[in-house]
Amino acid sequence: QQQVKQSPQSLIVQKGGIPIINCAYENTAFDYFPWYQQFPGKGPALLIAIRPDVSEKKEGRFTISFNKSAKQFSLHIMDSQPGDSATYFCAARDRNSGGYQKVTFGTGTKLQVIP
Amino acid sequence: KAGVTQTPRYLIKTRGQQVTLSCSPISGHRSVSWYQQTPGQGLQFLFEYFSETQRNKGNFPGRFSGRQFSNSRSEMNVSTLELGDSALYLCASSVDGGGNQPQHFGDGTRLSIL
Repeated sequence: QQQVKQSPQSLIVQKGGIPIINCAYENTAFDYFPWYQQFPGKGPALLIAIRPDVSEKKEGRFTISFNKSAKQFSLHIMDSQPGDSATYFCAARDRNSGGYQKVTFGTGTKLQVIP
Repeated sequence: KAGVTQTPRYLIKTRGQQVTLSCSPISGHRSVSWYQQTPGQGLQFLFEYFSETQRNKGNFPGRFSGRQFSNSRSEMNVSTLELGDSALYLCASSVDGGGNQPQHFGDGTRLSIL
């Protein structure tokens, strides 16, 4: 059961373009939505995160847009660079009955930025 | 500050064997989570430990088990290995697994089953 649906699976943009990665969820118990960036041979690294009471968050060239009513959120990368070429994962956190967190990941988007 | 360290980085086993993977969290982090990453299924949550107790568990068979030691280091064990267990196994640590404290990932152990 895939609780966080991510699209597209892969994306190619020119340098300076604005790639957009979309995620959708069903579980309204999710309360925290991080994005991770993963380079080949490395573990995922936290990029930016948002809570559902905020509609947008910017950190440098990375922006998350969040639509709580539609249960969708997206990552925009402004002025993309070849160094941004990586796999991006959206994620969502909920808690078990004991109150402890569990993070569910999307299936990933492989981004290639062409010089 | 040293990051999350996973050993070994690569491992080759045959079907039916068992394997133990190790994870040393960032100093001061007491929560350790394990994930399986495969091209088809993405990142799937295995379990989370805090203060030597398993607090959360994903939907994996009982062949997958783990433990955490008093120094917060964690091990994951997979018994009776199957071809489908070939994957990158990632460990992530956080201060206590709660609030909005981020998880920090290691670079993983790549397990190949022949």
